[in-house]
Amino acid sequence: NAGVTQTPKFRVLKTGQSMTLLCAQDMNHEYMYWYRQDPGMGLRLIHYSVGEGTTAKGEVPDGYNVSRLKKQNFLLGLESAAPSQTSVYFCASKPPTNYNRETQYFGPGTRLLVL
Amino acid sequence: RKEVEQDPGPFNVPEGATVAFNCTYSNSASQSFFWYRQDCRKEPKLLMSVYSSGNEDGRFTAQLNRASQYISLLIRDSKLSDSATYLCVVRSTSGTYKYIFGTGTRLKVLA
Repeated sequence: NAGVTQTPKFRVLKTGQSMTLLCAQDMNHEYMYWYRQDPGMGLRLIHYSVGEGTTAKGEVPDGYNVSRLKKQNFLLGLESAAPSQTSVYFCASKPPTNYNRETQYFGPGTRLLVL
Repeated sequence: RKEVEQDPGPFNVPEGATVAFNCTYSNSASQSFFWYRQDCRKEPKLLMSVYSSGNEDGRFTAQLNRASQYISLLIRDSKLSDSATYLCVVRSTSGTYKYIFGTGTRLKVLA
């Protein structure tokens, strides 16, 4: 059981380049989340998904797109990277609501530097 | 005003000390409350959920005060391994599962 994994672990981009961050979970969780963490800001929700084929905007969605084509995968895309998107990106998943549990399980994070 | 606020610290305490953190939230309709622990350059991990009646897990006690809109975390007999950042997390909206994170309180336990 790998839990939540993220690919890549670290990436350097130039302004204007695009990339996709991959999050995968093997716990059959319905909910998946993408957060970014910046110094002094805490974790902020970018996008989330309540199930396969669904996505919704979080607190800071601008500049990002997501897709949840398979239940186990949640992709975060940056179409045209900007220095303001330099951050640590965390993916998380959560069991279905009928389990009456709200624990979020986080991946190890992706460190992104945009020059 | 931030929706979830924490004192960033750091709290520097000697081993064996008792330390308490508070977290305030602004939305009175908030539904669920949690404390997560985050070690340096690692992912957050759930420490404990916070229930209305208060709850305890070993050396850790969490309490919720809905009237004053704050939650607290008490750590007794601090260990060096308790050094970390403690994140307060709130689910604000009924019917959705979106979570608001505080910026975290940093704890250093000193030998």
